[in-house]
Amino acid sequence: QKEVEQNSGPLSVPEGAIASLNCTYSDRGSQSFFWYRQYSGKSPELIMFIYSNGDKEDGRFTAQLNKASQYVSLLIRDSQPSDSATYLCAVDGGSQGNLIFGKGTKLSVKP
Amino acid sequence: DAGVIQSPRHEVTEMGQEVTLRCKPISGHNSLFWYRQTMMRGLELLIYFNNNVPIDDSGMPEDRFSAKMPNASFSTLKIQPSEPRDSAVYFCASRLDRRYQPQHFGDGTRLSIL
Repeated sequence: QKEVEQNSGPLSVPEGAIASLNCTYSDRGSQSFFWYRQYSGKSPELIMFIYSNGDKEDGRFTAQLNKASQYVSLLIRDSQPSDSATYLCAVDGGSQGNLIFGKGTKLSVKP
Repeated sequence: DAGVIQSPRHEVTEMGQEVTLRCKPISGHNSLFWYRQTMMRGLELLIYFNNNVPIDDSGMPEDRFSAKMPNASFSTLKIQPSEPRDSAVYFCASRLDRRYQPQHFGDGTRLSIL
């Protein structure tokens, strides 16, 4: 059974701080990794994807991948109250594009 | 560009009734996924299609659930008969079947079975 694990939180950070969200996965064969943001009552929205070891930056967001440790993280710099949401880590299931989702980490950014 | 379109947005019905949820994927996407989300279990994959063919339905809870994709632009998820424990938000997502392509989600259907 392929699994994706996330700390459910809530993770609370002050406005302007760096929020660090972590995810581990069980399948060493996984090749692509996605971070989705889900506001309360809304659908998941893609914010980052990564498939190579190392860092990938997009604005205030940085995704980090370490395949040897089977670990993915998302850093949010200069956190804003509007970043308060649940962040879902998703890993490819190995065939035809299905994804395995973690249960999500709830982030709260305090003004 | 239009995203994934789901209908209805909300459905409230009584136990035992048939429920049909509908999804129109993004034009050109050839993979479609149905998910169910609850607080307890998170986001669960129910079934997915590739080029209109069901690939994996192992996530479908039981025989009361069925899904079809008669063409590239339409899919349905049906529950018959419905039960209160089916209450959840049901999402449809679509994807272009290319390496590293993400899934894009519809707004979901909030289903309440009384």
